[in-house]
Amino acid sequence: DAKTTQPPSMDCAEGRAANLPCNHSTISGNEYVYWYRQIHSQGPQYIIHGLKNNETNEMASLIITEDRKSSTLILPHATLRDTAVYYCIVRPISGAGSYQLTFGKGTKLSVIP
Amino acid sequence: NAGVTQTPKFRVLKTGQSMTLLCAQDMNHEYMYWYRQDPGMGLRLIHYSVGEGTTAKGEVPDGYNVSRLKKQNFLLGLESAAPSQTSVYFCASVQDWAYEQYFGPGTRLTVT
Repeated sequence: DAKTTQPPSMDCAEGRAANLPCNHSTISGNEYVYWYRQIHSQGPQYIIHGLKNNETNEMASLIITEDRKSSTLILPHATLRDTAVYYCIVRPISGAGSYQLTFGKGTKLSVIP
Repeated sequence: NAGVTQTPKFRVLKTGQSMTLLCAQDMNHEYMYWYRQDPGMGLRLIHYSVGEGTTAKGEVPDGYNVSRLKKQNFLLGLESAAPSQTSVYFCASVQDWAYEQYFGPGTRLTVT
């Protein structure tokens, strides 16, 4: 069973905010939400992660709903270099599965000039 | 600081041949991972290691073996390559499981 659901593709105009949704309705209290991206078949790159509070770093913001069943990754000013596949991953804090990341198919974000 | 490096970058094998992929990291990370990625798919975990001398199976371990004799190196072996093992192989490392994983550039393997 997939732990996360993401749209297969999205477009965003250059310079606008890109909002990538992720549904994780079966998330449990001890599971983090991670976001990675993969640019043109390179190795995946970490973006951000959170447990229940919203998080922000130099790359993006992560908004997690209060019930934690969904989240949104926000790239505030998308550039052409942000064109990539974005993966939303749910990972437990401890126990089985805590050591690994389980990747789905992700969302292919295309930033358009 | 090179991060995570993978050798070789490309390789073509014939069915039944063997080879070893090398992953090296210079960040003194404890945890290392091998993933494979097939076209249009996400990454799948093959094997991982939580420290020098340790290995464990991931989601798709069949047909692969691994070794972690030195902390900085994680080797992935294919004893008898099959066309189904045609894929891009990524290595990753992390200091602690809760932190971000650093990925290498990948090895593109074709088995004919």
